Amino acid sequence: AQSVTQLDSHVSVSEGTPVLLRCNYSSSYSPSLFWYVQHPNKGLQLLLKYTSAATLVKGINGFEAEFKKSETSFHLTKPSAHMSDAAEYFCVVSDITGGFKTIFGAGTRLFVKA
Amino acid sequence: DADVTQTPRNRITKTGKRIMLECSQTKGHDRMYWYRQDPGLGLRLIYYSFDVKDINKGEISDGYSVSRQAQAKFSLSLESAIPNQTALYFCATSERGGGGELFFGEGSRLTVL
Repeated sequence: AQSVTQLDSHVSVSEGTPVLLRCNYSSSYSPSLFWYVQHPNKGLQLLLKYTSAATLVKGINGFEAEFKKSETSFHLTKPSAHMSDAAEYFCVVSDITGGFKTIFGAGTRLFVKA
Repeated sequence: DADVTQTPRNRITKTGKRIMLECSQTKGHDRMYWYRQDPGLGLRLIYYSFDVKDINKGEISDGYSVSRQAQAKFSLSLESAIPNQTALYFCATSERGGGGELFFGEGSRLTVL
């Protein structure tokens, strides 16, 4: 069985300050982990993915995430928030076990204040 | 043009009506999916298809049906719409062996009155 929990439904930061969006997962197998971003009235776009290579994964727009197996976490960070980062972010865990199963977190809405 | 195109983008209908949401893709991917997004629940899988002759139920298939008319086309039907099917619906594709990355359309917002 697998699950994913995004620990904050809303995060608010000031422009230029660091961003931390938290994600914990549970998986019976070595998971693939993803972060997607959804801007208003748009579909979801891949930010980054972890697939058992380097534990620190760099994505688009300055975002990165670190896979920590001991903590079952995959938190998303960015050193300096920009107004254009305001969006909803989804942590996703995927296993392939005789089929296809991808589980989405509930999402974290990021607000960026000027 | 978008790689994954959904039509209509917005639809308002009444309880009991039949509704079809259509999805077409130009990415050449074999795998296609329909998801439903509700606030605070993330995305939940309705149906998925690994090729034209392969259709599988997802987590919340009750009340929905699908048709894979061609590799590039995957439609979602609500035979008799009900208000709790009001949601944002996404079509997505992925490539076999592509590491699980999903490519999304821009969504179809359905309101059932």
